[in-house]
Amino acid sequence: GENVEQHPSTLSVQEGDSAVIKCTYSDSASNYFPWYKQELGKRPQLIIDIRSNVGEKKDQRIAVTLNKTAKHFSLHITETQPEDSAVYFCAATPSGSARQLTFGSGTQLTVLP
Amino acid sequence: NAGVMQNPRHLVRRRGQEARLRCSPMKGHSHVYWYRQLPEEGLKFMVYLQKENIIDESGMPKERFSAEFPKEGPSILRIQQVVRGDSAAYFCASSPDGGGANEQFFGPGTRLTVL
Repeated sequence: GENVEQHPSTLSVQEGDSAVIKCTYSDSASNYFPWYKQELGKRPQLIIDIRSNVGEKKDQRIAVTLNKTAKHFSLHITETQPEDSAVYFCAATPSGSARQLTFGSGTQLTVLP
Repeated sequence: NAGVMQNPRHLVRRRGQEARLRCSPMKGHSHVYWYRQLPEEGLKFMVYLQKENIIDESGMPKERFSAEFPKEGPSILRIQQVVRGDSAAYFCASSPDGGGANEQFFGPGTRLTVL
C-alpha cells in the first residue's frame, strides 16, 4: 500500500516569509495529491490539490509542485500571515475512482507576528 | 449546499459501552469515508462505503468496529465495547461521483472520549 512521509513536523516562520512543506510517497500508481489545513479542534479543509498530469499549480499565495520521477510533492505558502498558522497534511491516492487517502503525519506551521 | 454533517460532535462513553457515530454526506455525494485521528497525529483511513455497500474496510479493526451506509439515512460507524484506546476524533468525508471523485470534503468530526 501507499506510504506518505511529511517533513518537517514543525515549522516556524516570520510573518511575510515563505513556508515550504515536503512530502514523499511510495506508490507509483498514486496520481492525486491534496493538501489539507486543520486548525485546532476543526475539520481538515482542502486548500489545494494537484494531479499527476501537471507539475505545478497555484492559487493566490499557495502553490503545490509535483515531481513524479522522484515521488515527491511540496506545498509553498508565500507572504505568510498569522492566520496561516495550523497543521497542514499532505495526502496521496490513485486517481480515476474514489479511493482512500493516505495522509502524511502533518506539519504544525506557526507564523510569528 | 450544506457541508458534511456529523453527530454527535462530542461523545463520552464508559468502557464496555457502545458508540454510534453518524455522518450525512454532502448533497449529491455517494462516497463516504471514515478516518480516525489520534491526538496530535495524522488521519488514518478506516473504511470506504457507497450506498448499501462497503467498498474497502482495510483500515478497520477486525473486532468491535462496523460501518454501514443504508439506502436511506446517514452512514453510521459503530464501536462496540469501547476501550480507552478508542478515544480519538472520528472524521467522515464524502466525495462526488464522476471526475471529481477524489476530492474529499470532511465533516466537523466526532470526538469520542472513553472513560
